[in-house]
Amino acid sequence: ETGVTQTPRHLVMGMTNKKSLKCEQHLGHNAMYWYKQSAKKPLELMFVYSLEERVENNSVPSRFSPECPNSSHLFLHLHTLQPEDSALYLCASSEETTSVTDTQYFGPGTRLTVL
Amino acid sequence: GESVGLHLPTLSVQEGDNSIINCAYSNSASDYFIWYKQESGKGPQFIIDIRSNMDKRQGQRVTVLLNKTVKHLSLQIAATQPGDSAVYFCAENRGTSGTYKYIFGTGTRLKVLA
Repeated sequence: ETGVTQTPRHLVMGMTNKKSLKCEQHLGHNAMYWYKQSAKKPLELMFVYSLEERVENNSVPSRFSPECPNSSHLFLHLHTLQPEDSALYLCASSEETTSVTDTQYFGPGTRLTVL
Repeated sequence: GESVGLHLPTLSVQEGDNSIINCAYSNSASDYFIWYKQESGKGPQFIIDIRSNMDKRQGQRVTVLLNKTVKHLSLQIAATQPGDSAVYFCAENRGTSGTYKYIFGTGTRLKVLA
């Protein structure tokens, strides 16, 4: 295991539901990331947090709302999603964002299906 | 736009043979590259990395080669095993301090035949 856990592993929700994805890292890292992985597409960076501050919002719709209460936990709050938002959502962490050789370690992902 | 891509979507190799997975990148300023392995139902797992000041780096059964002249990256897996079956994708890290961003390729599926 990589030291990054995600819950739930699978989530099915309707378009009017509100749900949250949780990520926890046990590596002592300072940076955390949310990615979206769709079939036949490269990983898409959504958000980057460094020391609990959001440093990147990659033009993500407001129906996705991240929260980073501390450097070990990251949430992605979901509301009024669309079917095209169905994907694997991956969380990653790294030591810092200030080094080019900063390696990101990924969690297992949450498989989200929006009906 | 600039991107990192893979030449072959699926690669089938016989167990015990060597595998070579290729990746092309377009940003000559990229300084750091990583190969990830993603098994079914799991997140990407770090395999090996290489800085742009190196041409080759070896790990356990894996070797990464970097050809900056043609902006090409490859992953070689020696004596491929059934457990190597997965999707492999490369990533380049580019940007400046505080804004480094990984750009990922779409992935190559490696199938190991018994």
